[in-house]
This record gives sequence, structure tokens and C-alpha cells, in this order.
Amino acid sequence: GAVVSQHPSWVICKSGTSVKIECRSLDFQATTMFWYRQFPKQSLMLMATSNEGSKATYEQGVEKDKFLINHASLTLSTLTVTSAHPEDSSFYICSATNTGGNEKLFFGSGTQLSVL
Amino acid sequence: DQQVKQNSPSLSVQEGRISILNCDYTNSMFDYFLWYKKYPAEGPTFLISISSIKDKNEDGRFTVFLNKSAKHLSLHIVPSQPGDSAVYFCVNNNDMRFGAGTRLTVKP
Repeated sequence: GAVVSQHPSWVICKSGTSVKIECRSLDFQATTMFWYRQFPKQSLMLMATSNEGSKATYEQGVEKDKFLINHASLTLSTLTVTSAHPEDSSFYICSATNTGGNEKLFFGSGTQLSVL
Repeated sequence: DQQVKQNSPSLSVQEGRISILNCDYTNSMFDYFLWYKKYPAEGPTFLISISSIKDKNEDGRFTVFLNKSAKHLSLHIVPSQPGDSAVYFCVNNNDMRFGAGTRLTVKP
């Protein structure tokens, strides 16, 4: 089955630093990738949709300058949390759809970000 | 505006019994509805989907029913097992936004 790899699985950083999270589709080409975040005991919140080779579309209330998304190839999307602050601490999850018209959305294993 | 609603935040059933998880939607534009299962600190895993042109899809212990006139779908798990305990989400594949989810607990 289709596999999405997300790294790192957890990261601890100091306030003010930037953190990059990678999302790779291992055995299929992902034209579209999605980034979500989840706070404790809450649902997944869609942050942005990224299409390969174009700018990401951000959901309302998500700062595009804060959360930089790059989708430079059909197998890799990155999310960079810039100048991270403690309130950015959350569980971030990426997902991808393949190009074959499959209706499924495949998820990475998530990244737990803790900003001190 | 939340287009997918899961109005039951939690459900508890006995092992071996049926679990019924419900989902209501407002947007009739969809190709598929997807059901996902999620454990804490993990990404969601795909369970089963249903096409907009069908009213039922079955896969092993999992069956999803779609009632388009009521804009309602439900996931049936029978027999329920303790390993089914997780949070379940329904997702419109044209929207990709998650509802609040329903936490299922299956008691041995």
C-alpha cells in the first residue's frame, strides 16, 4: 500500500528557532499534499494544501509567513515553522493523495513539536 | 463552517457487540467519504470509503452506509474488538477537513 514518511517524529527546540518537517511519499507520486495540526484532545485542523510546483493554499487564520510550505517535487513537501514559539507546540501531520485518481488520503505518522 | 459533523464525541460498547459511528454533512458535492481511525500521537489510518453513487460498502467487519437524502453516513463495526478503541473520523475527499471525531471504547 501507499506509504507516506514524515520526519522527524518528534522535535524539541528553543523559542525563536525554525523547525523543518519533511513529508515524503515513498511509493507513489503525490500531486497534492495536506498539512494538519492537532492540539491535545482536539481534532485535526487543516492548515494548508500544497500542490507540486505551485504556492500552497492556506486555511483562514493560518499565517503563511509563519508556516512555510514547499512542495518542490512529486514526492516531497516540507513545512517550516519559523521563529517557533511555545504556542506553536503541537502535533503536525502531513498527508498526500496520489496521481492515479485514488480517493484515499495517506497520512504520515506525525511530528510532535515542543517549543521551550 | 463545519461541513462534516460527528455529533457524538464518544461511544462505549461491549466487545462482540456492534459499534455504530455517525457522520452528518452539509456539502452534497463529494466523490467519496472516507473513514479514518486514529490512535494518540499517530497519523490517521484509512479504514473504508464509500462512493457518492453507492449506499453501502462492506469490508470485513466494517460497513459504511450512505443516506444521501438525509446527508448522513454511518460506520458499523461488528463484532467490535478492544483493538478498535480509537478516535474515528469521517472525511469528504473533496474537502479534506476533519470533523470532531468520535472516540470509540470497546470494553472486554
